[in-house]
Amino acid sequence: GAVVSQHPSWVICKSGTSVKIECRSLDFQATTMFWYRQFPKQSLMLMATSNEGSKATYEQGVEKDKFLINHASLTLSTLTVTSAHPEDSSFYICSTPWTSGTQRNHEQYFGPGTRLTVT
Amino acid sequence: AQSVTQLGSHVSVSEGALVLLRCNYSSSVPPYLFWYVQYPNQGLQLLLKYTSAATLVKGINGFEAEFKKSETSFHLTKPSAHMSDAAEYFCAGRLQGGSEKLVFGKGTKLTVNP
Repeated sequence: GAVVSQHPSWVICKSGTSVKIECRSLDFQATTMFWYRQFPKQSLMLMATSNEGSKATYEQGVEKDKFLINHASLTLSTLTVTSAHPEDSSFYICSTPWTSGTQRNHEQYFGPGTRLTVT
Repeated sequence: AQSVTQLGSHVSVSEGALVLLRCNYSSSVPPYLFWYVQYPNQGLQLLLKYTSAATLVKGINGFEAEFKKSETSFHLTKPSAHMSDAAEYFCAGRLQGGSEKLVFGKGTKLTVNP
């Protein structure tokens, strides 16, 4: 299956600093990337949708100035948590639908996730 | 609102017993439905998917699911549980409107007892 990587897998930062999380599709072009947040023992909550070359679309209640998403290339999307606070500590996961030209298989491929801890 | 509901946040079975994880969706039109498995501190792995073809879908690791429109259900089953099946399972749906967004159920933690 398609491979999506995330980096870093685990990060600890101090309150007030910013953290960048990278999500890469390794073997296909990711025109769309979804970013999720998952709190312990909870489900995934969609934060935003990014499309290559355009501004991200944020879900209701997600602060776009706090969670900056860049999708400048077809293989890389980044999520930057700005001025992080302890309540931002969570597991962040990206996913992208598989496409090849106009072909789709209706599947999404998920990155392995990034554990963010803000102290 | 379109939603996916998983009945039972925790399911415990004995090794070798039947696994049944329940999922219901709300939609007037059959959506695309998926079951994912998540191991601790890892991303999601696709077990199987329903995309309006066969109603009985076979997936990896011996899992299968049956789409029942009359019951708006997509329950996941496995005839014989293995210790390695212990994980969190998520049902998800790509519902109406053409968006590729997924709506997730709250998850079911499966425990397999020796």
